[in-house]
Amino acid sequence: QITLKESGPTLVKPTQTLTLTCTFSGFSLSTSGVGVGWIRQPPGKALEWLALIYWDDDKRYSPSLKSRLTITKDTSKNQVVLTMTNMDPVDTATYYCAHYWGAFDYWGQGTLVTVSS
Amino acid sequence: QSALTQPASVSGSPGQSITISCTGTSSDVGSYNLVSWYQQHPGKAPKLMIYEVSKRPSGVSNRFSGSKSGNTASLTISGLQAEDEADYYCCSYAGSSTHWVFGGGTKLTVL
Repeated sequence: QITLKESGPTLVKPTQTLTLTCTFSGFSLSTSGVGVGWIRQPPGKALEWLALIYWDDDKRYSPSLKSRLTITKDTSKNQVVLTMTNMDPVDTATYYCAHYWGAFDYWGQGTLVTVSS
Repeated sequence: QSALTQPASVSGSPGQSITISCTGTSSDVGSYNLVSWYQQHPGKAPKLMIYEVSKRPSGVSNRFSGSKSGNTASLTISGLQAEDEADYYCCSYAGSSTHWVFGGGTKLTVL
C-alpha cells in the first residue's frame, strides 16, 4: 500500500531555510503520470498547496511562494525534498506531502514546523 | 483569502443530507473537471473523498457525491452520520500558472 512520511526540523529560526523530506513507499516516482506534492496548513487555518514534482521531473510551484521554494526528487531513495528559504513566523504550519494521481489521493501524517526565534 | 470560496460552516441532523458549495472562477472550477474534495478530522491528515468532480475512490461511502455547475462545485453527503463531522476542503486545478488552489474549508457539524 502507499505510504508517505514527512521529516525535518520542528523548529526553525526566522530567515533560516527549511528543508523537509518526504519518504514514500508503495509506488515509484518514475511511473508515468505520478507526482508528489507538498501542502501546508497553519494552525486552525485552511490547506495551501505549495509545490508538486512529476515523474518526469516537471516541477510546479505556488505563484505566491515560487521564489522561496525548491522541490527535488531522488527516485532511487523514494524521496522528495522541499526547501523553503527565508522562513518567517507566518510560515508556521503543518506540512504534508501527498501522492498525486489526478488528485492528492494519499497523504503523509504531516509535520508541524514552528518558526520562532 | 483562499482562491475557492466555501461556507465556513454547515450543519445537519443524523440521516439528513447536506451540500457544501465551492465557488471558483472560469479560470479554475469552471474550466477543468479536476475538482477534488477532502475530509479532515481534528489532528488528522486530509482524506480524499471525491476526485474529478464526481468520482469516489475505492472505500469511500456512496453517501458522498460530487457535482459541478459552471464555476461552482458541490459536495453532497446523504444519510448524515456522526462520523461525518469534520472539516471539508475543495481543491481545483487552476491552469498552468496557478496550478492547484484549495478552498477555505467548511466545518460540518452533525447535530
